[in-house]
Amino acid sequence: QVQLVQSGAEVKKPGASVKVSCKVSGYTLTELSMHWVRQPPGKGLEWMGGFDPEDGETIYAQKFQGRVTMTEDTSTDTAYMELSSLRSEDTAMYYCAALQDRSSAFDSWGQGTLVTVSS
Amino acid sequence: SYVLTQPPSVSVAPGKTARITCGGNNIQSKSVHWYQQKPGQAPVLVIYYDSDRPSGIPERFSGSISGNTATLTISRVEAGDEADYYCQVWDNNVDHPYVFGTGTKVTVL
Repeated sequence: QVQLVQSGAEVKKPGASVKVSCKVSGYTLTELSMHWVRQPPGKGLEWMGGFDPEDGETIYAQKFQGRVTMTEDTSTDTAYMELSSLRSEDTAMYYCAALQDRSSAFDSWGQGTLVTVSS
Repeated sequence: SYVLTQPPSVSVAPGKTARITCGGNNIQSKSVHWYQQKPGQAPVLVIYYDSDRPSGIPERFSGSISGNTATLTISRVEAGDEADYYCQVWDNNVDHPYVFGTGTKVTVL
């Protein structure tokens, strides 16, 4: 059974960057396709990007292109999501979520990391 | 990019059946997944590949798809089913392949 444990809440100022981690246990990171989904307060789920297991590349939603970087450290089975040039609209809960192959469901989720952007 | 439309809210009495729809262009050609999210918690997968249930999900939860609409059905609704529900698909769109529905708040009366 996959378990995903994320890093703790962050408070950042506008213009700063934030890096959220997601530690995998029960599986290795190479056995999963890790993605990131965010949810602003009171709003719906929004896919940000993730690893495409068929192309072997990380893909990003066009909305976040140039501002987000997703990386993986397979030695520690930890995935990272870094978002730069933060603005107040980036205040949200950020989740890592894993799937097995391209069209499958996100069957494992982290507990979420709240990122608050405020001056 | 591909759009999935859900009703904002559905209300149902305990013991009755709740049906949550998810509309999308030719959605029957895609695989639809459904998630339940309770307040303050991460989403949980309740239906995958249109109608399959993960282990641990009650048989009361079922999924179907026809034409341009996918439906999540919750039979014999319980108070604990009160939550937000989201549908999701993978779309062959390089800019935004993973799409979530707008979400439906299920209220148990």
